[in-house]
Amino acid sequence: EAEVAQSPRYKITEKSQAVAFWCDPISGHATLYWYRQILGQGPELLVQFQDESVVDDSQLPKDRFSAERLKGVDSTLKIQPAELGDSAMYLCASSLDFGTGGSNEQFFGPGTRLTVL
Amino acid sequence: AQTVTQSQPEMSVQEAETVTLSCTYDTSESDYYLFWYKQPPSRQMILVIRQEAYKQQNATENRFSVNFQKAAKSFSLKISDSQLGDAAMYFCAYRSVRGGNEKLTFGTGTRLTIIP
Repeated sequence: EAEVAQSPRYKITEKSQAVAFWCDPISGHATLYWYRQILGQGPELLVQFQDESVVDDSQLPKDRFSAERLKGVDSTLKIQPAELGDSAMYLCASSLDFGTGGSNEQFFGPGTRLTVL
Repeated sequence: AQTVTQSQPEMSVQEAETVTLSCTYDTSESDYYLFWYKQPPSRQMILVIRQEAYKQQNATENRFSVNFQKAAKSFSLKISDSQLGDAAMYFCAYRSVRGGNEKLTFGTGTRLTIIP
């Protein structure tokens, strides 16, 4: 069964360092999402891609976060510099379609758990 | 903006019994989707069940069913014949049907424990 892949699964870094997370969506899925899940809370959308284009990055802290999906397939989320408050689970999800208004199920990866010391 | 509220941080149920998880939401839209997602420990989040707001009939998936009360903006999940594998965090989520607004808005989750 096809799954969303993420790496690394765990990352520990010191504040002010740079970190990067990678996501490979299910093959053929046009839409890719990055969510941040702080401990004890539900996931919140950081950025949404349709193919290689950003559709929604309104909640992305652009002074330190960046995201790209250059060829419309896999994606990288970067944080530079990392802050203590960035400690969280970073989830990637993908869905087949975009803009159809259908239920368009989102499939989630296992996440990257980031700890900033 | 839409909000989703789960007022039960933790629930427990005896194996083989039935449990209901609560969810309320706030929206000004008339049509939307509601979902329940399950997040087992150290595993990815998976979709349990979905409900289209324009459908009056409550969705059912095997042992999982929902009680959708549109006027009350309530969307509870009932798990029948609870099994040990049902232990997980459960998140209620909202999604607009407006094309292009695909993001999920999640509640804070309910941790479900199954007692053998």
